[in-house]
Amino acid sequence: DAGITQSPRYKITETGRQVTLMCHQTWSHSYMFWYRQDLGHGLRLIYYSAAADITDKGEVPDGYVVSRSKTENFPLTLESATRSQTSVYFCASGTGGGYVETQYFGPGTRLLVL
Amino acid sequence: AQSVTQLDSHVSVSEGTPVLLRCNYSSSYSPSLFWYVQHPNKGLQLLLKYTSAATLVKGINGFEAEFKKSETSFHLTKPSAHMSDAAEYFCVTSSGSARQLTFGSGTQLTVLP
Repeated sequence: DAGITQSPRYKITETGRQVTLMCHQTWSHSYMFWYRQDLGHGLRLIYYSAAADITDKGEVPDGYVVSRSKTENFPLTLESATRSQTSVYFCASGTGGGYVETQYFGPGTRLLVL
Repeated sequence: AQSVTQLDSHVSVSEGTPVLLRCNYSSSYSPSLFWYVQHPNKGLQLLLKYTSAATLVKGINGFEAEFKKSETSFHLTKPSAHMSDAAEYFCVTSSGSARQLTFGSGTQLTVLP
């Protein structure tokens, strides 16, 4: 039972390059989320998806693109990476069904943009 | 918009002593509140959540939190700290149609031997 996985776990890239972070969940959860974690900010929502082909912006969407062609996958693309996008990225999933919905988090991807 | 404020960025306790991590919330109606824990280089794990069924919420690993509407607080406590409790703790609220999470800035808990 893999749950929710992210790849790669670590990535170093250069400014201006395109980077895609992968997220895969095995629970068939409807909702998936991308967060970034930076010192002093906790986690902030980048994008979320309510179902396949339905995505919406979160708090900090600029510079990121998402897609969701299949329920189980939710890739996050940095089209032209910048140093300010150096961060730890967490993917999460949930059923989205209730007031006290629990989200389940992946192990994170550490991204360094040089 | 709902938000949470964690009042301490760092807390240090000795092993075997009580833990108190403070969180205040801002909401115009009954909030949904959570505590998540993040161990070093790990993902986040749910400790407990407030469901409005009871003001005292029990979670995993001996943690509990009390919802106090009069004080707009949801502080996390544990009677006796263990070395394995050393981690970062996040107070979280959710809102919106997708129940998006809004995180506090986190409290780093250090447990001293």
